[in-house]
Amino acid sequence: TQLLEQSPQFLSIQEGENLTVYCNSSSVFSSLQWYRQEPGEGPVLLVTVVTGGEVKKLKRLTFQFGDARKDSSLHITAAQPGDTGLYLCAGRAGNMLTFGGGTRLMVKP
Amino acid sequence: SQTIHQWPATLVQPVGSPLSLECTVEGTSNPNLYWYRQAAGRGLQLLFYSVGIGQISSEVPQNLSASRPQDRQFILSSKKLLLSDSGFYLCAWGQINYGYTFGSGTRLTVV
Repeated sequence: TQLLEQSPQFLSIQEGENLTVYCNSSSVFSSLQWYRQEPGEGPVLLVTVVTGGEVKKLKRLTFQFGDARKDSSLHITAAQPGDTGLYLCAGRAGNMLTFGGGTRLMVKP
Repeated sequence: SQTIHQWPATLVQPVGSPLSLECTVEGTSNPNLYWYRQAAGRGLQLLFYSVGIGQISSEVPQNLSASRPQDRQFILSSKKLLLSDSGFYLCAWGQINYGYTFGSGTRLTVV
């Protein structure tokens, strides 16, 4: 069973701060996806990274896939209250998608 | 465009009662469909997935079952609910390479 550990579990910051959240595993994944989920809603796909070392940017969000494809990070620049939510990573191995436990982010105005 | 509908949004059921949650997808044919459960705002646990009508794969032995009576309909059921069945149930469709589209979820509370 592939396990994805996300850290930190909880993060509370002020508007305008930068932050990085991590997604780590001892297993290799062929690709990795990041989702954001708001309370009472389903997760929404943000990005998929496929190649080791790949970096993708989505406005103020920067996603990186580790060289060995075992880990990933999400960096948010100048966080805004609208970034508040649960950030989930999900790694693909074969035909299975395994989700991490998530990082709950709160950005205070 | 593709849309996914899931209902009801919330449900409170007594222990021992039956359960039926429905999920339908529009705007696509022969989608891969998934049922996930999420505990207390944490990660998602895959319960069932289906690659076609009548084809159901179970990932976790439990008190639940799934059926796919039509191409774009996926149903999650239980004959007798347990307290431990409480949670947030999410239906999704998609291709693993491109990511999943989730429904808005059903909050089930078993009392």
